[in-house]
Formats: sequence, C-alpha cells, structure tokens
Amino acid sequence: DAMVIQNPRYQVTQFGKPVTLSCSQTLNHNVMYWYQQKSSQAPKLLFHYYDKDFNNEADTPDNFQSRRPNTSFCFLDIRSPGLGDAAMYLCATSTSRAQGPDTQYFGPGTRLTVL
Amino acid sequence: GQNIDQPTEMTATEGAIVQINCTYQTSGFNGLFWYQQHAGEAPTFLSYNVLDGLEEKGRFSSFLSRSKGYSYLLLKELQMKDSASYLCAVTDSNYQLIWGAGTKLIIKP
Repeated sequence: DAMVIQNPRYQVTQFGKPVTLSCSQTLNHNVMYWYQQKSSQAPKLLFHYYDKDFNNEADTPDNFQSRRPNTSFCFLDIRSPGLGDAAMYLCATSTSRAQGPDTQYFGPGTRLTVL
Repeated sequence: GQNIDQPTEMTATEGAIVQINCTYQTSGFNGLFWYQQHAGEAPTFLSYNVLDGLEEKGRFSSFLSRSKGYSYLLLKELQMKDSASYLCAVTDSNYQLIWGAGTKLIIKP
C-alpha cells in the first residue's frame, strides 16, 4: 500500500543533543510538509517542499532544519532541542495541482521527548 | 488575522448523531478539510468541501456555507471508535492550510 512512513515513532533525546527525524513516502507526491503538534493544539507548519524548493515558515526557529535528498525522503533536524520542543512531529505529503496543493496525507508521527 | 474556531470538546451517546461546527475567517478560500485524529496518532483525511452544500460519505457528512464562513461535520450512528479529535482546516488564497485546534469528541455508551 502507498503510504507515509515516519521513523522512529518515539524518540527520546537529551536537552541540547541534536536529533534527526525521518519521513519517507511511496505516494510519489511532490510536496512534503513537517508539522509540530503539541497536546490539544492545531498542527503548526514548520516548513514544506515543493519538489526541491524549500519553504520555511516565518516563525519556525532556526533550531529546526530540514533536508530533502530526493522525492521519497525528508528529514527534520533539531540542532539543540529544548524542553519546549517536546511534541508530536508530523510528516505529510500532497500532490500539487495547477490551482494549488491537494489533500495532505499524514504519516503516523514521531513523538519527541526531551529530558 | 486568520482564524478557525471549533468547540474544544463535545460529548455524545453511542448510536446518536452529533454535529461539530467550524467557523473561519481567512484571507481567501480554496477549500475546507475535515480530519479525524485519534489520541497519539496522526490526522486522517475525512472530507473536502469547496462548493456550498452537503457532501455525504457513509456515516459522515460535511456541509459548507462560504458566505457565512461556516462548516459542520455530521456524524451519524455514533460508535465508540468515533471518539477522537476532529480538526477543521481551510486553504487560504495562498493555498496555505490554516488549522483549527480540533474538537475532542467523547462518546459514551
């Protein structure tokens, strides 16, 4: 089945220790997104890619970086995690139409704990 | 600013019907999505409305009124597995997806 995969599902890191979350997709979608979601809050878009074109949200901290080496894979790097970065990190994909992006499909998420 | 409003929490009884409302104020409109999110899991797509009216899909229906900036999600014949958060999201004129905080639906036997 075509899907969006995130690894790991649960990640524990120490305060200030860099961590990388990964996302892969078999949907062949050209748009990929990274969201941060805290409990009972709306998902917050961190950045997204149209193919290799990187789009950073204005309020995404510099502590968060992303890489997309090819269509299938996308990585979220947190350079120096703080306690406030503990959250669920969601990867999503969509196709882009002439009118704009289509429905977003989400991976299962990675729950990050910062000790 | 851009804003999506949904009730924080609702409670309903198994087998009953519940309507979850969503009002929005966005810069432009290019469609409204409803997603279901179980606790600790990712959102899953439920419905998409871009024209006024009702879209029915099994036990779930979604309604849109663009002139009123209003949508609702109607869930019929509620089952315990429908206990989840339901998120409303609107695509604005820049095709950015603006998310509501979600409505937590609690189903009681």
